[in-house]
Amino acid sequence: QSVLTQPPSVSAAPGQKVTISCSGSSANIGNNYVSWYQQLPGTAPKFFIYDNSKRPSGIPDRFSGSKSGTSATLGITGLQTGDEADYYCGTWDSSLNGFVFGTGTRVTVL
Amino acid sequence: QITLKESGPTLVKPTQTLTLTCTFSGFSLSTSHVGVGWIRQPPGKALEWLAVIYWDDDKRYSPFLKSRLTITKDTSKNQVVLTMTNMDPVDTGTYYCAHRGPVPGTVYFDYWGQGTLVTVSS
Repeated sequence: QSVLTQPPSVSAAPGQKVTISCSGSSANIGNNYVSWYQQLPGTAPKFFIYDNSKRPSGIPDRFSGSKSGTSATLGITGLQTGDEADYYCGTWDSSLNGFVFGTGTRVTVL
Repeated sequence: QITLKESGPTLVKPTQTLTLTCTFSGFSLSTSHVGVGWIRQPPGKALEWLAVIYWDDDKRYSPFLKSRLTITKDTSKNQVVLTMTNMDPVDTGTYYCAHRGPVPGTVYFDYWGQGTLVTVSS
């Protein structure tokens, strides 16, 4: 039922950079702010990025968000083993009149 | 600080109604633009948004589950209750409640409960 598409997995070596895409439409990403959530194994999701690119207090600047048209991207630089988690994008969908999450991306540190 | 905690049955039978309670602290649901949402996650699968209730009692539901969901709030008790009717084994998963940030014009969930695992089985 997810209307936001993410790659199932991305991986890189420690210290490298990964990017996670989130593809939607004009009903959601194209006209609404995007947020990102990190979910470590066995734990509740954690709020990581809001309003496309803003970081809440305590989130390191190794994490960045951007949006262009109907797609959003989460970037992680200086990859660490502690970054291994599932990452979800989310936004309001004006057609569905509800919030939607992405399909989720598993980040693996090689 | 803001905290939320879900409570309810861990096991329900097919066709039964599930009632979950979110008890929160650190904010008031009578403050403008504040909301509390429910999100679930089947084992090994993605997050799925279910519903949100706002400070003014405005409610929004997932269109895919709208006919089965009801969300209510008790501001005096700092609680939000979600009911889901006609439960099915596919509804098995972890159910989270979360605080919706109070900024108008943008929707995100900045504080989450620990989640409660609900299993649907006879």
